[in-house]
Amino acid sequence: DAKTTQPPSMDCAEGRAANLPCNHSTISGNEYVYWYRQIHSQGPQYIIHGLKNNETNEMASLIITEDRKSSTLILPHATLRDTAVYYCIVRVGGGNAGNMLTFGGGTRLMVKP
Amino acid sequence: GAVVSQHPSRVICKSGTSVKIECRSLDFQATTMFWYRQFPKQSLMLMATSNEGSKATYEQGVEKDKFLINHASLTLSTLTVTSAHPEDSSFYICSLEHTDTQYFGPGTRLTVL
Repeated sequence: DAKTTQPPSMDCAEGRAANLPCNHSTISGNEYVYWYRQIHSQGPQYIIHGLKNNETNEMASLIITEDRKSSTLILPHATLRDTAVYYCIVRVGGGNAGNMLTFGGGTRLMVKP
Repeated sequence: GAVVSQHPSRVICKSGTSVKIECRSLDFQATTMFWYRQFPKQSLMLMATSNEGSKATYEQGVEKDKFLINHASLTLSTLTVTSAHPEDSSFYICSLEHTDTQYFGPGTRLTVL
């Protein structure tokens, strides 16, 4: 799986949009970009994933650059409960159950009142 | 998404004893489950891939005789930490794959005295 690079920490004001960047310059054509977050002392929570098109769900939006070498996770209106470590992971998708996730250091997002 | 449960959520044991952690898929059948370990202030590290009806696949450096994995049904995988020592104290998290996405359990905090 390709490696990803994320800033170690970010701050965001409550109610503002949180934009979390991720670089994955060595991503392969069949690799998806996945985002998870981990709130302290809990298991990781799936947020969103995409291949090349931008994606949006009830939690967040995922913007993938045209060359697929980077992406941004957007939390449109951050709340204090969004304080967590956010992981950007790339891996082969397509329903192959043997593909594990490789977690890097992630970005520690601190949402402040 | 998929709902994954773990039991117990927290366990404290004496050095030398064995501890069993259960991981259950509550809403679908999973042929493959994953076991991760997370030490304080570190990221998740994959320990092993659990396959229903066959032997688990362990990552390099993980002792298969110490961390026994049994995936006896499509909804249950168990991890037994045998002869636990203080250095095995960690946060153990399972996950399973469903429609291109891995979903994680809430984790089990193991403390070995």
